[in-house]
Amino acid sequence: DVVMTQTPPSLSVAIGQSVSISCKSSQSLVYSDGKTYLHWLLQSPGQSPKLLIYQVSNLGSGVPDRFSGTGSQKDFTLKISRVEAEDLGVYYCVQATHFPFTFGSGTKLEIK
Amino acid sequence: EVQLVESGGSLVQPGGSLKLSCVASGFTFSNYWMDWVRQTPGKSLEWIGEINTDGSKTNYAPSIKDRFTISRDNAKSTLYLQMSNVKSDDTAIYYCTRGFDYWGQGVMVTVSS
Repeated sequence: DVVMTQTPPSLSVAIGQSVSISCKSSQSLVYSDGKTYLHWLLQSPGQSPKLLIYQVSNLGSGVPDRFSGTGSQKDFTLKISRVEAEDLGVYYCVQATHFPFTFGSGTKLEIK
Repeated sequence: EVQLVESGGSLVQPGGSLKLSCVASGFTFSNYWMDWVRQTPGKSLEWIGEINTDGSKTNYAPSIKDRFTISRDNAKSTLYLQMSNVKSDDTAIYYCTRGFDYWGQGVMVTVSS
């Protein structure tokens, strides 16, 4: 299975700060069609996961542009600019290139 | 508005069976691959499997293969997860998701004697 390593496991940031979360995969996530199926999700407290970013860098529907994703092959980053209170929760990366699809262990974002 | 509503979660004994349902609305269900994902208490997410648009093809995680079966009824816009020979490790919240872009609210399955 593809192992997704997320760091850091937790973050505590003040409102207005910027943060980055790293996700590294044990194999390249480039599929045979040339696309990279690496997505980012946010699970707010008591909620289901919500899609933030799909295919590395594309914003999900209704997601503010404070969120951005970059990366390629095996190394990916989610950046949140100007953190807001509503951004707290657990962030997951997930790869949907190789079976079985696998998730990172999550990064818990807390607001100072 | 896209909605996915799971049902069928309950307490089940080890070795028992359970069938979860997920009713979809707000989009053309028959046009989308669908997935099941679970989340064990306090832990990360685990992909269970997926089914193609007409139900003719499925892919499963090795951890549940041969015990769980995913199916769908496009006429009813409903996705199913048939769980059999369940184990205590199957205790989790089960989510249906449309390719990770929309998720249901989840349903709790507890395996215990």
